[in-house]
Amino acid sequence: EDQVTQSPEALRLQEGESSSLNCSYTVSGLRGLFWYRQDPGKGPEFLFTLYSAGEEKEKERLKATLTKKESFLHITAPKPEDSATYLCAYSGGSNYKLTFGKGTLLTVNP
Amino acid sequence: DAGVIQSPRHEVTEMGQEVTLRCKPISGHDYLFWYRQTMMRGLELLIYFNNNVPIDDSGMPEDRFSAKMPNASFSTLKIQPSEPRDSAVYFCASSTSAGALQETQYFGPGTRLLVL
Repeated sequence: EDQVTQSPEALRLQEGESSSLNCSYTVSGLRGLFWYRQDPGKGPEFLFTLYSAGEEKEKERLKATLTKKESFLHITAPKPEDSATYLCAYSGGSNYKLTFGKGTLLTVNP
Repeated sequence: DAGVIQSPRHEVTEMGQEVTLRCKPISGHDYLFWYRQTMMRGLELLIYFNNNVPIDDSGMPEDRFSAKMPNASFSTLKIQPSEPRDSAVYFCASSTSAGALQETQYFGPGTRLLVL
């Protein structure tokens, strides 16, 4: 069965303390792996799409990487404003929809 | 670009009442998606449309839920009759099948529904 699992469920960091979020997936025929950020009371905001193993993308303090079984969202020297829920999702198979994980709630303390 | 627009932003209703949620996708996008988000179940896809035609409604919970897309710039999600367990945040998203950002979904701000 196709699925996506994110870990940890919650992560608390001190400002400047780098870490990584994990997204493990199983799908036949991955077309894309997506990362979104969601702030409280708002809709998910698109961050990155990764299409093939070995691909990396960066935006400010965030870098997303992809292997054949998982994706990582690396956060370097995070700031309090990076606090949010980070969602990953994949597209693949015969349909045109995204399957989302439950998310990782990141809290960065000043 | 105004992004995906949803209305109302908040809705409080009583059990048994009809609820209609509205969505305007990004201009030029040919896919539209309706999601429901709760703490317990996360983000769940309810239904999606391509060129105004429903493609997959397997996520619609039951017959009380219905969705329409009469044209490329408007969609509705209706719950009739509503029940307390329908309380959630409902998101609309749209995407395009063309170009470098195909399949990337852009979300609206959501409608927070509370059924008493």
